[in-house]
Amino acid sequence: QLQQWGAGLLKPSETLSLTCGVYGGSFGDHYWSWIRQPPGKGLEWIGEINHIGRINYNPSLESRLTISIDTSKTQFSLKLTSVTAADTAVYYCARLTQQMVHWYFDLWGRGSLVTVS
Amino acid sequence: EIEMTQSPATLSVSPGERATLSCRASQSVSSSLAWYQQKPGQAPRLLIYGASSRATDIPARFSGGGSGTEFTLTIDSLQSEDFAVYYCQQYHNWLPYTFGQGTKVEIK
Repeated sequence: QLQQWGAGLLKPSETLSLTCGVYGGSFGDHYWSWIRQPPGKGLEWIGEINHIGRINYNPSLESRLTISIDTSKTQFSLKLTSVTAADTAVYYCARLTQQMVHWYFDLWGRGSLVTVS
Repeated sequence: EIEMTQSPATLSVSPGERATLSCRASQSVSSSLAWYQQKPGQAPRLLIYGASSRATDIPARFSGGGSGTEFTLTIDSLQSEDFAVYYCQQYHNWLPYTFGQGTKVEIK
């Protein structure tokens, strides 16, 4: 199960900060991702991290992004700096699972609406 | 970045009928394609990975096909709980993973 939390209302130029807690399952066997969805729009992958801190970012957001992990708490976090109205979205944390050559998001948090205004 | 294009944007189907959704990749993604279902106010749910493998607990009325650049998701005998938005996603080029814009399946 994934439970996520963080501030829901930001002003332009502030830093978005969200955390996702992982409860149950094997923390070390997956990548842990952030995905966002602007209101009424599609899904955008933000980035991912694994238990040893290997990180991959969406190049379109990389300059403003930090994803980190705390294995002792089985949590991972997202920070996005200098937010604008374009960053208003529901932010999901998700588990990325590998099965042979296939990778898929098979467990999702409930989502956190972040509004920049 | 690989662009994923879904069609149609909206599909109107009567309960009990079949729905066929399409997804096209801007370049070959082999069979590295997943499908997700999203209902209003909920997170997406994995339906299909590897273009045609059903995820755990997904009913057999959901089937995926295709490879390379052309993919389909077929839902046989639509149930009321199947009316939702469906997204395809490629993981062949994983920087970044990319999703289609979605197809909404609505009641006719």
